[in-house]
Amino acid sequence: DSGVTQTPKHLITATGQRVTLRCSPRSGDLSVYWYQQSLDQGLQFLIQYYNGEERAKGNILERFSAQQFPDLHSELNLSSLELGDSALYFCASSPYAGVDTQYFGPGTRLTVL
Amino acid sequence: AQSVTQPDIHITVSEGASLELRCNYSYGATPYLFWYVQSPGQGLQLLLKYFSGDTLVQGIKGFEAEFKRSQSSFNLRKPSVHWSDAAEYFCAVGAGNQGGKLIFGQGTELSVKP
Repeated sequence: DSGVTQTPKHLITATGQRVTLRCSPRSGDLSVYWYQQSLDQGLQFLIQYYNGEERAKGNILERFSAQQFPDLHSELNLSSLELGDSALYFCASSPYAGVDTQYFGPGTRLTVL
Repeated sequence: AQSVTQPDIHITVSEGASLELRCNYSYGATPYLFWYVQSPGQGLQLLLKYFSGDTLVQGIKGFEAEFKRSQSSFNLRKPSVHWSDAAEYFCAVGAGNQGGKLIFGQGTELSVKP
């Protein structure tokens, strides 16, 4: 158990819909990361927040947005969903803003029908 | 731009045999390198990391990796594989100037024959 929690575990929705994925980091960690894992793209970095501020950004679609709240939990919002957004979405956390060991949650599996 | 290549998509080894998983990276400066393991239905777990110093690093579960700057490689090794090592293994590089962003390779799936 990494100490990172993600909800829900599974999410099934339809094209065009909007969903919110939630992540609680390990106690004391200030950075939260979001990754997307799919068969064709592999494991892709989406975005990092550090202590409430955006710290680094990957190839995150404009339809996707994230935020980190004062209690340090984070949400990833996915809107206007397409079939290709079906993937496993991981949250990870670390203590600092820079490169360090990231502790991964169990993931949220999103299926878009 | 940074990149990571894991040339082997799938490897099968016999239980008790030695293992080497290959990883090549592309990065101009000294990279921060990681190996993670993902078991089916699980998140990723860190096996080991290299930031600086001794180029041979030891990790959990009996794994080790060697950083070779001249070959831009960070190969993962284990002298004797156990059936429980069957999983997917990911090599990753951190840039150091882009927050904590990690770039992952495509992964190598390891199967273990009894």
